[in-house]
Amino acid sequence: KNQVEQSPQSLIILEGKNCTLQCNYTVSPFSNLRWYKQDTGRGPVSLTIMTFSENTKSNGRYTATLDADTKQSSLHITASQLSDSASYICVVSAMVGYGNKLVFGAGTILRVKS
Amino acid sequence: KAGVTQTPRYLIKTRGQQVTLSCSPISGHRSVSWYQQTPGQGLQFLFEYFSETQRNKGNFPGRFSGRQFSNSRSEMNVSTLELGDSALYLCASRMTQRENEQFFGPGTRLTVL
Repeated sequence: KNQVEQSPQSLIILEGKNCTLQCNYTVSPFSNLRWYKQDTGRGPVSLTIMTFSENTKSNGRYTATLDADTKQSSLHITASQLSDSASYICVVSAMVGYGNKLVFGAGTILRVKS
Repeated sequence: KAGVTQTPRYLIKTRGQQVTLSCSPISGHRSVSWYQQTPGQGLQFLFEYFSETQRNKGNFPGRFSGRQFSNSRSEMNVSTLELGDSALYLCASRMTQRENEQFFGPGTRLTVL
């Protein structure tokens, strides 16, 4: 069964600290993995996308890693800011007959405190 | 290029009523998907439309229905509203079903009293 599991469910950190969010998936056949950031009451916005051959990709203070062998991804946030408080959603694409099927994780809620 | 727009942004209904939500995709995008998001549940896939045809459907009761028009705009209808239907309803568009990135709208916050 195609599944995406994220951990932790929620996280509270102090401003300026680093944190790492995890995403494990069983989606097959794997096409790519994307991390979204969703601010409260808003739609998700894409942060990074990673294909099978990519191990690391950065977007400012956000760095995503992918281990296709163990089917794990992480999103590392460096020097956190209050504006990083949001839900982070891992989405894995599977190539199916009609195109790309998207499987969503439940998200990790991050709260950055001052 | 304008993003995905959803109307209305907020809606309050009572049990038993029905509601229609609207989504205008990014210009040129022909695929529109709908999601329900409740606290702790994450994004739950409702259905996807492409070229006016429903292509995929999630595990929601028949009270949830949708349609897509020739200009790719989409509507979602929920009949006989229940308290548990209170949620943020998100619409997302992509050019085709072969595209793996969806662009999300701001959502419609539905409250059922």
